[in-house]
Amino acid sequence: GAGVSQSPSNKVTEKGKDVELRCDPISGHTALYWYRQSLGQGLEFLIYFQGNSAPDKSGLPSDRFSAERTGGSVSTLTIQRTQQEDSAVYLCASSLFGQGGEKLFFGSGTQLSVL
Amino acid sequence: GQQLNQSPQSMFIQEGEDVSMNCTSSSIFNTWLWYKQDPGEGPVLLIALYKAGELTSNGRLTAQFGITRKDSFLNISASIPSDVGIYFCAGRGYGGSQGNLIFGKGTKLSVKP
Repeated sequence: GAGVSQSPSNKVTEKGKDVELRCDPISGHTALYWYRQSLGQGLEFLIYFQGNSAPDKSGLPSDRFSAERTGGSVSTLTIQRTQQEDSAVYLCASSLFGQGGEKLFFGSGTQLSVL
Repeated sequence: GQQLNQSPQSMFIQEGEDVSMNCTSSSIFNTWLWYKQDPGEGPVLLIALYKAGELTSNGRLTAQFGITRKDSFLNISASIPSDVGIYFCAGRGYGGSQGNLIFGKGTKLSVKP
């Protein structure tokens, strides 16, 4: 696609439920990032995928959070047993590793609200 | 670990004023990126810098990669109302995690009441 696509754009869930957030990166981009942005705050790194390398999961806040990237393209961020403090905007970004690879292109995010 | 300080945290602008913000890091970076985020949207890349001392412009925006490789600034000349938003700097260092990319906490630009 022309840009990074995220779905859903908004998700309201009840505490304790599991949610899945999807990211469709720009075609051909080998690197994919997930960030979390709480209201009025900066970007909190969650996880980074680069090609076939093992993902950098160092930013995942707890074992309730996991992510996978199938076929080197689409990625899914899963939050199990959601808590109210998980409410935030979840942003996905992709980049073309190598020349110009430092430029991250972001999606519009998924606004997650845990009631 | 690597840290990145962005200042100011917020500022008010009046149309026509010049604006300046900066970021400093605790370690050397090889890339600096500046993003702008509008409400309800993801950050959009404004300027990318790859060499120490590099000065790059994008319309009314000018950014520089500091000689020490530990800082960068962004200037906006003759601001207009649509410049309001949150500006983030990001730097890529050597080694480390997070895809080697560190984000500042943002500078929020608002219009003077």
